Amino acid sequence: DQQVKQNSPSLSVQEGRISILNCDYTNSMFDYFLWYKKYPAEGPTFLISISSIKDKNEDGRFTVFLNKSAKHLSLHIVPSQPGDSAVYFCAASVAGTASKLTFGTGTRLQVTL
Amino acid sequence: DTEVTQTPKHLVMGMTNKKSLKCEQHMGHRAMYWYKQKAKKPPELMFVYSYEKLSINESVPSRFSPECPNSSLLNLHLHALQPEDSALYLCASSQHTSGGPDTQYFGPGTRLTVL
Repeated sequence: DQQVKQNSPSLSVQEGRISILNCDYTNSMFDYFLWYKKYPAEGPTFLISISSIKDKNEDGRFTVFLNKSAKHLSLHIVPSQPGDSAVYFCAASVAGTASKLTFGTGTRLQVTL
Repeated sequence: DTEVTQTPKHLVMGMTNKKSLKCEQHMGHRAMYWYKQKAKKPPELMFVYSYEKLSINESVPSRFSPECPNSSLLNLHLHALQPEDSALYLCASSQHTSGGPDTQYFGPGTRLTVL
């Protein structure tokens, strides 16, 4: 049972344009959501997070939007840069516990020149 | 500083060998984690240590044995592994904030190959 889903395995965006990565979840107990960026053979790097009491969180070029009623979140990267090319995982957890992160299957973003 | 370090970076072992993976963090985090990641898949949780006590074991085979000697260190002892155990092993840590959001920070991983 895949509780966190990223339905787009890959995405190609031109440099300078906006990248939008999407994530859906099914477990209504999740109340903390994170995005990680991962290069091959390296550990995931934390990018940005959002708790369920908010609907938007912004950090520089990265903005995460949360729609609780739709159980959907998205990561916007603007402007996209070639160095953003990587696999992006969304993850969900229940806040306040040292518990498992449930990861999505990842979206490979390629930013082209 | 959000650094989690892991050693070794690469490890090749035979099925009869015993080896250990090491993880260290100096962020004062009280929760530490082991994940396993196969190619083109998301990380899968193996173990969680909370305040140096094992709190979650995701039904991992006994050939993987975790150890948390102190709040900064986490080991994963490996014995009699199978070739299908070849993967990237990731360590993570988090503050274990009571009642609040808890962000996990990952190390660079150990690439394990079992021959």
